[in-house]
Amino acid sequence: GNSVTQMEGPVTLSEEAFLTINCTYTATGYPSLFWYVQYPGEGLQLLLKATKADDKGSNKGFEATYRKETTSFHLEKGSVQVSDSAVYFCALRGGLTGGGNKLTFGTGTQLKVEL
Amino acid sequence: DAGITQSPRHKVTETGTPVTLRCHQTENHRYMYWYRQDPGHGLRLIHYSYGVKDTDKGEVSDGYSVSRSKTEDFLLTLESATSSQTSVYFCAISERGGDTEAFFGQGTRLTVV
Repeated sequence: GNSVTQMEGPVTLSEEAFLTINCTYTATGYPSLFWYVQYPGEGLQLLLKATKADDKGSNKGFEATYRKETTSFHLEKGSVQVSDSAVYFCALRGGLTGGGNKLTFGTGTQLKVEL
Repeated sequence: DAGITQSPRHKVTETGTPVTLRCHQTENHRYMYWYRQDPGHGLRLIHYSYGVKDTDKGEVSDGYSVSRSKTEDFLLTLESATSSQTSVYFCAISERGGDTEAFFGQGTRLTVV
């Protein structure tokens, strides 16, 4: 079945540092890929998405590129802020495996940004 | 904000008792999902629904059942609660599959003592 692997956290950065959170996936076919963010005490909300190979999703300064050759969807931001502190989840849905509408998440990566 | 409400928001229950969590949506979305969130495991899919009376199992469905008799309501039942089911439960909705966004509820914190 489909699966998502993300780097473990917590990731602690100073404000204005560069951020990379790695995400790789296993799926048959052409899944859609997502990054969701969870702020403390809240549910998840969509950060960005990409639907086909070489697509770049972007939002709020965050970017991720759908790399089919490496089955990756790494999240990047050039300059993080304290307000970016949250838990980030990589997710996928679709592809040719059974349950193509199941939305599968990684384990999440906690980001802490300090002044 | 998407119209999605989970109830209750917090519950403490005793081992062996049945518990039902409710997810209610006002968006008329076709897909509804139940997840549990646990440290070190991220979000794990329990069950999902792709239409009224159409449901399927997720990766951690043992000990849980669901029902969807109306588009707007998706119920999750713990048939006989155990301490291992202490968790935060999230409901999500999605208009379609594929690349469409899923919207999440605020979560239900369940403690089984």
